[in-house]
Amino acid sequence: GNSVTQMEGPVTLSEEAFLTINCTYTATGYPSLFWYVQYPGEGLQLLLKATKADDKGSNKGFEATYRKETTSFHLEKGSVQVSDSAVYFCALSDHNYGQNFVFGPGTRLSVLP
Amino acid sequence: DAGVTQSPTHLIKTRGQQVTLRCSPKSGHDTVSWYQQALGQGPQFIFQYYEEEERQRGNFPDRFSGHQFPNYSSELNVNALLLGDSALYLCASSLGRDPYEQYFGPGTRLTVT
Repeated sequence: GNSVTQMEGPVTLSEEAFLTINCTYTATGYPSLFWYVQYPGEGLQLLLKATKADDKGSNKGFEATYRKETTSFHLEKGSVQVSDSAVYFCALSDHNYGQNFVFGPGTRLSVLP
Repeated sequence: DAGVTQSPTHLIKTRGQQVTLRCSPKSGHDTVSWYQQALGQGPQFIFQYYEEEERQRGNFPDRFSGHQFPNYSSELNVNALLLGDSALYLCASSLGRDPYEQYFGPGTRLTVT
């Protein structure tokens, strides 16, 4: 079945550091890929998405590129802020098997001032 | 424009009891999905409702059931509660068969004692 694997957290960085959160996936079809963010006490918010190979999703300084050859969708940001502290979830939606999402376990990011 | 709302915010139940959680989708959305998020894990898909019918179902027992009303709001019912049902229950809404723009509510925290 479909699955998503993320690097284990927590990840602790200093403000303005470079961020990478690794995500790899397994899917039998042609999935769309997503990054969601969950701030403390809140629901999930869509951060960015990519619907086909080589697409780059970007939002709020975050970027991720859909790499079919390595089945990866790593999240990056050049300079993190304290306000970026949250849990980040990588997810896929496989159109061949319906619209339900498969989420990774999440990676907690803490950014220190 | 109201986003996805869920009620109640928190709930404490005893093992063996039954519980009903409620969700109102984002204005204009007609599809509701339910997820279970155990502590420290990613959301797990329970089921999805569209046009008042269950369209898809994840790997959850029949103790988990749902309903969608003509105004697109939805309920999640769990019977014969187990300690392992303790989790954050998330509702997400979207429009039709579009898997890309799925908006999440803040969730209902269910504790089973």
